Amino acid sequence: GENVEQHPSTLSVQEGDSAVIKCTYSDSASNYFPWYKQELGKRPQLIIDIRSNVGEKKDQRIAVTLNKTAKHFSLHITETQPEDSAVYFCAASSLIEDMRFGAGTRLTVKP
Amino acid sequence: DGGITQSPKYLFRKEGQNVTLSCEQNLNHDAMYWYRQDPGQGLRLIYYSQIVNDFQKGDIAEGYSVSREKKESFPLTVTSAQKNPTAFYLCASTPSSLGSDTQYFGPGTRLTVL
Repeated sequence: GENVEQHPSTLSVQEGDSAVIKCTYSDSASNYFPWYKQELGKRPQLIIDIRSNVGEKKDQRIAVTLNKTAKHFSLHITETQPEDSAVYFCAASSLIEDMRFGAGTRLTVKP
Repeated sequence: DGGITQSPKYLFRKEGQNVTLSCEQNLNHDAMYWYRQDPGQGLRLIYYSQIVNDFQKGDIAEGYSVSREKKESFPLTVTSAQKNPTAFYLCASTPSSLGSDTQYFGPGTRLTVL
């Protein structure tokens, strides 16, 4: 089955700096890679996703890149703001395999 | 907030008791999922259901049971056989029963064993 690893587990940046979170996956059949943001005690919220037919996707300050050959994908947040502070989860799934989540990255943006 | 609800928000259980967590969705989604989240950890799949009257074990099904008698409802029972049930439980649904689909999460239930 799929195995998703996520790094780093904690990340602290200064407001305005960029943050990068990386995930690797094991199943070459995986073709859908969402990223979720979870604030303390709340439900995970989808912030961006990418499918295997594209290499990069952007949505304002958030971008995701996918390297299928190396089986890794990354979340990039530019111009970070204190409200970006949360736990971020990556995930991977395929048509026949259920979604598997990374262990999460706690991002802290210092004002 | 997406049409998927969970109740109660907080639940306290005495050791040896079974408790049932509710999950309801009005999104007409085919598939539903239960995850467990422990502090500082990711989401682990307990059970999932791709269609009414059918469900499959996830990675950590021991000590849990589910039913899917209606498309809208997927309750999770935490039995006394679950040795360490204190956790945050999240229900999710997806439009189709295939993988590669966005998961929509409920607000979660925090279960504490006294």
